[in-house]
Amino acid sequence: EAGVAQSPRYKIIEKRQSVAFWCNPISGHATLYWYQQILGQGPKLLIQFQNNGVVDDSQLPKDRFSAERLKGVDSTLKIQPAKLEDSAVYLCASSSGLAGGGVQFFGPGTRLTVL
Amino acid sequence: GENVEQHPSTLSVQEGDSAVIKCTYSDSASNYFPWYKQELGKGPQLIIDIRSNVGEKKDQRIAVTLNKTAKHFSLHITETQPEDSAVYFCSHANAGNMLTFGGGTRLMVKP
Repeated sequence: EAGVAQSPRYKIIEKRQSVAFWCNPISGHATLYWYQQILGQGPKLLIQFQNNGVVDDSQLPKDRFSAERLKGVDSTLKIQPAKLEDSAVYLCASSSGLAGGGVQFFGPGTRLTVL
Repeated sequence: GENVEQHPSTLSVQEGDSAVIKCTYSDSASNYFPWYKQELGKGPQLIIDIRSNVGEKKDQRIAVTLNKTAKHFSLHITETQPEDSAVYFCSHANAGNMLTFGGGTRLMVKP
């Protein structure tokens, strides 16, 4: 079974530029998550989708971050404009269920460096 | 989200010794407690999880204990091996399955 796929693996941009990350979850997984992991810290949830609907985006900085999962499969996370403090690894995860603690499987992440 | 405190932040042990990592949480609604291992340049990988109706769970050299009354849970790794060296994260979730992670423990197993 293929795991969660993410691209690109690395991205370097200058502040105020825009960037987009792509995630393809495990086949059949209805729930998709985006996390931000700053160096030396644990992942922090940004947004959770159930199929193509947003379940929770309370920790997403909506003035600059946006995410979509239009067809309920792949998802993109965008940052516009980027700030220095956005430098982090952006992790995508998926699970087969929502309630009851479905196991979340993580992709390899995209490492973003903002100069 | 609710905080989770994880200790220690770094742990160095000799190969063959045991390692223990402890976490405390505050959300009494939490009912799912997974532990993840993260190697350099990779995403977190689930190593063991426990649900709130169970006090202890074991899988070969790895065990997790949960004390819901005291709101703390622990990871125990016995007979550590160099390949156990990584960063370990505790986490917890409520019915919405939104995970809150601890700050991580860097485990170093010296051969």
